[in-house]
Amino acid sequence: EVQLVESGGGLVKPGGSLRLSCAASGFTFSSYSMNWVRQAPGKGLEWVSSISSSSSYIYYADSVKGRFTISRDNAKNSLYLQMNSLRAEDTAVYYCAREDSDTAMGAFDYWGQGTLVTVSS
Amino acid sequence: DIQMTQSPSSLSASVGDRVTITCRASQSISSYLNWYQQKPGKAPKLLIYAASSLQSGVPSRFSGSGSGTDFTLTISSLQPEDFATYYCQQSYSAFGPGTKVDIK
Repeated sequence: EVQLVESGGGLVKPGGSLRLSCAASGFTFSSYSMNWVRQAPGKGLEWVSSISSSSSYIYYADSVKGRFTISRDNAKNSLYLQMNSLRAEDTAVYYCAREDSDTAMGAFDYWGQGTLVTVSS
Repeated sequence: DIQMTQSPSSLSASVGDRVTITCRASQSISSYLNWYQQKPGKAPKLLIYAASSLQSGVPSRFSGSGSGTDFTLTISSLQPEDFATYYCQQSYSAFGPGTKVDIK
């Protein structure tokens, strides 16, 4: 069974940093691109970042470019999101999501349960 | 960047109704369009990928169509468990703003 479990969320002050983790199991993690998607309270989904299976290709939304860094450790079946210079508008539930490689159509077929990041003084 | 829009932003419907949600891309995305369902407090669930392909395990009352810039998600006969928010997504990235389907 595919499982994605996020951790690392919490309360942080504006300007602070936080590192999110996503532990993957039930599939060959090193074969899949992975993504972070966030959802502010009461708002819609916002794609944040993606990383290819071997970390060769990395993309960011303009809203986080230069502040967030996505990475992965295939030996540990883990995905990370380092978040620096946090702002109030970064407050959201952060989901990790697997990109379906079988169809190669860029759909996110499995999602974690999410971890809440709150940026407030 | 390509912008995604959805209409309506919300709708009220009854069990058994046929429901149609529209998604529009600001420029052509071919068939690189996916649909998700999200219930309160839960992670999104993939329903349709590549505009019209049903994800494994998703009931056949859900269907998708379209290509280029205009896409549609149809629920042929709304069931109680279908009351949720639906999002379209340009493959690999941006999501639409969502359509909330609630009980009339």
